[in-house]
Amino acid sequence: GQNIDQPTEMTATEGAIVQINCTYQTSGFNGLFWYQQHAGEAPTFLSYNVLDGLEEKGRFSSFLSRSKGYSYLLLKELQMKDSASYLCAVRDILSGGYQKVTFGIGTKLQVIP
Amino acid sequence: DAGVIQSPRHEVTEMGQEVTLRCKPISGHDYLFWYRQTMMRGLELLIYFNNNVPIDDSGMPEDRFSAKMPNASFSTLKIQPSEPRDSAVYFCASSYERGGLDEQFFGPGTRLTVL
Repeated sequence: GQNIDQPTEMTATEGAIVQINCTYQTSGFNGLFWYQQHAGEAPTFLSYNVLDGLEEKGRFSSFLSRSKGYSYLLLKELQMKDSASYLCAVRDILSGGYQKVTFGIGTKLQVIP
Repeated sequence: DAGVIQSPRHEVTEMGQEVTLRCKPISGHDYLFWYRQTMMRGLELLIYFNNNVPIDDSGMPEDRFSAKMPNASFSTLKIQPSEPRDSAVYFCASSYERGGLDEQFFGPGTRLTVL
């Protein structure tokens, strides 16, 4: 099975940088995803990491350390529209070769002026 | 493409009634997922299909829940009989794998309220 931990809430100031951490425990790790979900809407894909290191995509970056079971999502130059929940999701290889993606509870980020 | 389509968007029903949720995945996607989201438990995977075949239904809460995918463009999630604790937002998502990356595209969700 999987255990995914991330903070439930964070607050940051417009224009600042915020880092949202995610730790996980899994037996057959095969990739980590970050999704953004605005209130009342569906999750949308942000980033994907399968190897150690940093993946950068505009104002958003995601980091992975497989040996530590750790990832973070870095948001730069925060904008009010970044207020949303950020979901960490881990893909696992199950017995039989099938894959399963499990989502964390999500971190609700509030950006304040 | 129109994206993943779900219907209905909102459903209010009484305890004991049958509820059927519908999903049309993105054309060409070979994976389809059903999730349930609540404040307390977050986004939970109920079941997923690959090429219309159910692969993992370990997340289906109990026998009251069933899901089918008769063809590549349609899936249903049925709850019979429904209970108040089934109240949640139900999302359908689809994906296809390319080079290991298979991000999921979510539908708008069905908000279910069981009275």
